[in-house]
Amino acid sequence: QSALTQPRSVSGSPGQSVTISCTTVGGDPTGYNYVSWIQHHAGQAPKFIIYDVARRPSGVPDRFSGSKSGNTASLIISGLQADDEADYYCYSYAGLYRWVFGGGTKVTVL
Amino acid sequence: EVRLLESGGDWVQPGGSLRLSCQASGFAFSNRDVGWVRLAPGRGLEWVSVIGASGTSTYTAGSVKGRFTISRDNSRDIVYMQMNSLRVEDTAVYFCVRVGTMGATRDFDFWGQGTQVVVSS
Repeated sequence: QSALTQPRSVSGSPGQSVTISCTTVGGDPTGYNYVSWIQHHAGQAPKFIIYDVARRPSGVPDRFSGSKSGNTASLIISGLQADDEADYYCYSYAGLYRWVFGGGTKVTVL
Repeated sequence: EVRLLESGGDWVQPGGSLRLSCQASGFAFSNRDVGWVRLAPGRGLEWVSVIGASGTSTYTAGSVKGRFTISRDNSRDIVYMQMNSLRVEDTAVYFCVRVGTMGATRDFDFWGQGTQVVVSS
């Protein structure tokens, strides 16, 4: 069982927005403060799209944004496009060179 | 352009061994921590092991500790993972990752395409 819980799937129509949650399971709700997100199209290299909860690496469209409230971080994809259909994983650095991943969320573009 | 190219994945019987390799390019390899993350069917992503830039410090997940050993050759920009005593539950795609430092903590900022390991009798 992941220490970070994500919904198994979310879906939306082109142009809509979808939100993927990432919730700390048990433990200190202030733990895992710095959440990052990965986009993975099957068969391709995963792509780093959000770090430090809400910061975007260079080249990532601003349609991808992040936020955090309490023990839940969220990835928001605005203006959904066909190419956004992928698996999305949250993760957090747990200190002492350990990382914890969420179980992943499949985004379907209807 | 940062590139990470894995190789060495294969089918192996339980108890067997494999060595994965990752050829890095496009960045100062000897200055960066690198490692491995795996994606197992139905189980999501799991970090496996990371090695410090100089190669003297290694960090390994409890699920593979004592069986997997990470190493690097900074003269050739390659990171390895020796996998021994393989189990069925080690079946996964193994991704080579670079550890980034752009944020407040350590992130996996670049990933390879992965190499498939299947452990089955």
